[in-house]
Amino acid sequence: DAKTTQPNSMESNEEEPVHLPCNHSTISGTDYIHWYRQLPSQGPEYVIHGLTSNVNNRMASLAIAEDRKSSTLILHRATLRDAAVYYCILKTGAGSYQLTFGKGTKLSVIP
Amino acid sequence: SAVISQKPSRDICQRGTSLTIQCQVDSQVTMMFWYRQQPGQSLTLIATANQGSEATYESGFVIDKFPISRPNLTFSTLTVSNLSPEDSSIYLCSVEEYTDTQYFGPGTRLTVL
Repeated sequence: DAKTTQPNSMESNEEEPVHLPCNHSTISGTDYIHWYRQLPSQGPEYVIHGLTSNVNNRMASLAIAEDRKSSTLILHRATLRDAAVYYCILKTGAGSYQLTFGKGTKLSVIP
Repeated sequence: SAVISQKPSRDICQRGTSLTIQCQVDSQVTMMFWYRQQPGQSLTLIATANQGSEATYESGFVIDKFPISRPNLTFSTLTVSNLSPEDSSIYLCSVEEYTDTQYFGPGTRLTVL
């Protein structure tokens, strides 16, 4: 599986935007970029995913570099509930179901 | 989105015994997965369980230690056998829907004394 690199931890002030980076320099053309997060004492939850174009949903935005070797998860307005470990995962295209979790980025939100 | 429940939510077991964890989904799904999350660590896939076929185990995990059943499209069990303190972890099941999204259960926290 192609590997991702994320900072171990980040801090953000409440109600400010957060940009969580992810490097994936060995990404292949069929790899989708997925983001999951795990709140304390809970199972992971899906956040967003994309292939080439930037993506938006109610939770976040995903900005993908033109060469696809990096991406950024954007939380537009951090809340205390967004404090979690965020995982950037590469998932091969159709027919592949496996998620390979790295260490992720632990996001702390300061009130 | 699929809603997943797990039983038990937590348990404390003696070494040498076994624990069976149940995973129930509120809809029919083809693919179910079992993960382990050791203390302070990320998730590691144990096996993939398809209904009607034997589970497929990842490297480092064997059927004798982690037998899995998948009797229908909404239910699966994972047994952790011959428990040792090193098995103390959170065990999570997940399912994948056609939207290419995985949904996770709340996890079962196992402590082995």
